[in-house]
Amino acid sequence: AQSVTQLDSQVPVFEEAPVELRCNYSSSVSVYLFWYVQYPNQGLQLLLKYLSGSTLVESINGFEAEFNKSQTSFHLRKPSVHISDTAEYFCAVRPRGTSGSRLTFGEGTQLTVNP
Amino acid sequence: EPEVTQTPSHQVTQMGQEVILRCVPISNHLYFYWYRQILGQKVEFLVSFYNNEISEKSEIFDDQFSVERPDGSNFTLKIRSTKLEDSAMYFCASSEASGGSYEQYFGPGTRLTVT
Repeated sequence: AQSVTQLDSQVPVFEEAPVELRCNYSSSVSVYLFWYVQYPNQGLQLLLKYLSGSTLVESINGFEAEFNKSQTSFHLRKPSVHISDTAEYFCAVRPRGTSGSRLTFGEGTQLTVNP
Repeated sequence: EPEVTQTPSHQVTQMGQEVILRCVPISNHLYFYWYRQILGQKVEFLVSFYNNEISEKSEIFDDQFSVERPDGSNFTLKIRSTKLEDSAMYFCASSEASGGSYEQYFGPGTRLTVT
């Protein structure tokens, strides 16, 4: 079984400030790791994912996340946020291989970017 | 860009009534999922569906829930006799194939309110 913990339920920041959203996971098997974003009144959109290879993964809109196996973490960072980044962010894991298909989510972190 | 759609966006029903939540997955996808999010809680997996049968279900998915693909485009979740605790946002998702590396695309959700 897997579990995901997002350590901050709400993160308020000012525009152009850096931000880090923390995610830790627990699993008895190897997993893939994901960050999803949910804008108001919209569905969950995949922001980025770690499958294998380089432990640092990047999204097209400036977010990055680093997989740390020893700390079982997958924190999300952005060096300079915009108002439009205001959304809820969900960290999720899924077992590797075809034996498991369900996503296990964290509780979510509401990022609010203020002017 | 193809997307998953869900109807209705908001459903209000009385306790004990049956509800059907509808989803249209992305057309070439073969795997379909339902998740739910009770207000203030995690997004939780309910069920996955492939080749006209359930491939995986969670402990939440008891006998009052059922899923169906009644035609070539729709995927439905039926709750036979709703309870107050079924009030939640229900998300449908689809993916091309199973396995952790295949992205699940989410719909915007149906907010179910049981009174």
